[in-house]
Amino acid sequence: GAGVSQSPSNKVTEKGKDVELRCDPISGHTALYWYRQSLGQGLEFLIYFQGNSAPDKSGLPSDRFSAERTGGSVSTLTIQRTQQEDSAVYLCASSLFGAVNTGELFFGEGSRLTVL
Amino acid sequence: AQSVAQPEDQVNVAEGNPLTVKCTYSVSGNPYLFWYVQYPNRGLQFLLKYITGDNLVKGSYGFEAEFNKSQTSFHLKKPSALVSDSALYFCAVRVLTGGGNKLTFGTGTQLKVEL
Repeated sequence: GAGVSQSPSNKVTEKGKDVELRCDPISGHTALYWYRQSLGQGLEFLIYFQGNSAPDKSGLPSDRFSAERTGGSVSTLTIQRTQQEDSAVYLCASSLFGAVNTGELFFGEGSRLTVL
Repeated sequence: AQSVAQPEDQVNVAEGNPLTVKCTYSVSGNPYLFWYVQYPNRGLQFLLKYITGDNLVKGSYGFEAEFNKSQTSFHLKKPSALVSDSALYFCAVRVLTGGGNKLTFGTGTQLKVEL
């Protein structure tokens, strides 16, 4: 499709299990972002990729969170040993990079994670 | 640090009345400012942006925003609200990082338009 695609759209897991969330950005967008949206918490930046490298990981809340991007395209956000406070909607966004990028991001519809 | 603030958690307005959703910013240098909207169970959609030029920026769905440098504000406005405008609105500012940039968002304002 033409937009940012995320999967799964919904994930319910048990505390302590690992989860993987996938993001497929818009073709040609070299910048990719992960954000987290918790009830009452607004949008929290997690990590930014430029190509396959992540120059800004400052928003990852703990070492249980990691992300990778391969081939300059698909990205996976992994949460190990999930905790109830990880329950949130995880949003992925992509954008062009360079002088043409004024900062506009294109968002997917998100992956809703519920940790029981 | 670059940031934006949305002082209102919720704004209620009657259909047909003008609406304003407030945003103030704190940045060093020239701000790049954005408004996004989130409809229920959907991702964020871009509404409009201010980069430079005219202080009044027009965007999607009849929305506009006014950049005010002296008041460090970037309020979202619409002359006549519709029930379908009911959604969560986010103000954001571009932050340079790692050779690229990211957006830092406000906490969001829930807009409710009633008949």
